Amino acid sequence: NAGVMQNPRHLVRRRGQEARLRCSPMKGHSHVYWYRQLPEEGLKFMVYLQKENIIDESGMPKERFSAEFPKEGPSILRIQQVVRGDSAAYFCASKKQEVAEAFFGQGTRLTVV
Amino acid sequence: TQLLEQSPQFLSIQEGENLTVYCNSSSVFSSLQWYRQEPGEGPVLLVTVVTGGEVKKLKRLTFQFGDARKDSSLHITAAQPGDTGLYLCAGGKTSGSRLTFGEGTQLTVNP
Repeated sequence: NAGVMQNPRHLVRRRGQEARLRCSPMKGHSHVYWYRQLPEEGLKFMVYLQKENIIDESGMPKERFSAEFPKEGPSILRIQQVVRGDSAAYFCASKKQEVAEAFFGQGTRLTVV
Repeated sequence: TQLLEQSPQFLSIQEGENLTVYCNSSSVFSSLQWYRQEPGEGPVLLVTVVTGGEVKKLKRLTFQFGDARKDSSLHITAAQPGDTGLYLCAGGKTSGSRLTFGEGTQLTVNP
């Protein structure tokens, strides 16, 4: 059973470009979290989604950031017009509904130059 | 406001020593999870505790959930260099709610 897959593992973008981060959940998992992590810091919640629905986006910046989890295909975290402060590791985790355990992918390391 | 407070933030010990890491909150959680993260990797789930007072053992690791489900501890016996990593606790108010993380405890076990 494949784990949570994130791609790309590393992404370099120039200031002003768009970054698209993909997350394929584990088989049978209907819910996805996205987190952001700066070096030597904890995980900061961004958004919690189920297929075709955003459950909680209270951690997501109001501008430039968006997330979706379509009926088919991976969940996408999109950052428009990236700035240097967006440089971080972005992790997604997936879980089954009504189950506590969430499993993480290996993350996408975004570098904005 | 940080809902989950982890202590200590950093811990450096010698191989063979015992240690305890704490995760405290003023809020009640329906479940609490412990993860271990190595540099450049994603967090790996170690255990989930759901019942107040619950104790779970994973080889040399012992996890406890407080009676009131507001706090948890991780005890490692005879630590080894391979235990080095960032230990994170995470709690959910319900199984369908966001998962909130503590800031983590960076453990270094020196040979």
